[in-house]
Amino acid sequence: QQQVKQSPQSLIVQKGGIPIINCAYENTAFDYFPWYQQFPGKGPALLIAIRPDVSEKKEGRFTISFNKSAKQFSLHIMDSQPGDSATYFCAALQGGSEKLVFGKGTKLTVNP
Amino acid sequence: GAGVSQSPRYKVAKRGQDVALRCDPISGHVSLFWYQQALGQGPEFLTYFQNEAQLDKSGLPSDRFFAERPEGSVSTLKIQRTQQEDSAVYLCASRSPGQWSEQFFGPGTRLTVL
Repeated sequence: QQQVKQSPQSLIVQKGGIPIINCAYENTAFDYFPWYQQFPGKGPALLIAIRPDVSEKKEGRFTISFNKSAKQFSLHIMDSQPGDSATYFCAALQGGSEKLVFGKGTKLTVNP
Repeated sequence: GAGVSQSPRYKVAKRGQDVALRCDPISGHVSLFWYQQALGQGPEFLTYFQNEAQLDKSGLPSDRFFAERPEGSVSTLKIQRTQQEDSAVYLCASRSPGQWSEQFFGPGTRLTVL
């Protein structure tokens, strides 16, 4: 059973566009939601993370929107650039646990 | 400072061979994690160490998988009698103490079992 469902599987936008990646979860005990960026041949790197006591968090061009009642969260990338082309993973962590649960990933392509 | 390093970066094994994958975490990081990432999928948790203690091994897929961190620093993931379904990238991550501290990932070891 997949604990974190991520969509879309792939996404193509033009430079300057605003790609949006969505994730949904069922486990209400999750209390930490990070997003990771992974380039080919590299390990995932933390982009931005949110806890459920806030509905939005911005860091540079990256924004997480969080809807606790719907058990959904999303990543928005403002003014996307070709260098943002990568695979993005949402994840979730349950309080008291060390086990990060990842979504299946979204391959983002930003065309020049 | 150096990040998390893993070796080898690539490993090809014949079915039935044993393999050992090494992880050097960031100095001072007490927590260490192993993940398995199949092609086109997200990482899946395998096991977790705090110093030398293996506190969670619930993600290890079978008793052919074994991990150790004897001195609380370098860790080794060993896979015995490899099978084709073991082919994946094995990622190691470490993090410093603190409830919300970041996990830093290494580049992974790509294992191919023929």
